[in-house]
Amino acid sequence: QVQLVQSGAEVKKPGASVKVSCKASGYTFTSYGISWVRQAPGQGLEWMGWISAYNGNTNYAQKLQGRVTMTTDTSTSTAYMELRSLRSDDTAVYYCARDARPGAPFDYWGQGTLVTVSS
Amino acid sequence: SYVLTQPPSVSVAPGKTARITCGGNNIGSKSVHWYQQKPGQAPVLVIYYDSDRPSGIPERFSGSNSGNTATLTISRVEAGDEADYYCQVWDSSSDHPRVFGGGTKLTVL
Repeated sequence: QVQLVQSGAEVKKPGASVKVSCKASGYTFTSYGISWVRQAPGQGLEWMGWISAYNGNTNYAQKLQGRVTMTTDTSTSTAYMELRSLRSDDTAVYYCARDARPGAPFDYWGQGTLVTVSS
Repeated sequence: SYVLTQPPSVSVAPGKTARITCGGNNIGSKSVHWYQQKPGQAPVLVIYYDSDRPSGIPERFSGSNSGNTATLTISRVEAGDEADYYCQVWDSSSDHPRVFGGGTKLTVL
């Protein structure tokens, strides 16, 4: 069965960086992309960006351009999301989701990773 | 960028029908996906491509999309349907192509 398992919770200081992992299993990793979605406390879902596990192409949300980098390691079927220059409003649960292609639904989701930014 | 508008809350009695709307400019020309999120859990896909249902999702969940409004309909509502529901589309003309609505809290009275 398809599973996306994310790394554990993180606590970071403002200005630091965080890297969250998402290990995929149960399907051919390179046949799909991965989107990252975050959810601030009590707020809705915010799409952060997408990466193709086939060729590494990326598409980032405009507001995060320059601060976010998404990568994949096909040898371990793992996707990564790094967010730099963290601010308090980056405090959120970060989800990875399988994303087959533009227009396709997010059909499987990771369990989420809480990132807390606090001095 | 493309904007999706959902009512913040919808309330319904058990056994009745809940309708959650998602408004957007000419949304009928786009494919709409719906997600259910219960407290402390990751979202779950409940309707995709306007009206298709993933395996394991009850037939009580259905979707439609026309004009400027997409609708998620939940028939014979149960207490376990209480959750936040989000619509989502892909907007090819945007630099922020994967767009979520603001979410609707469904309360079962």
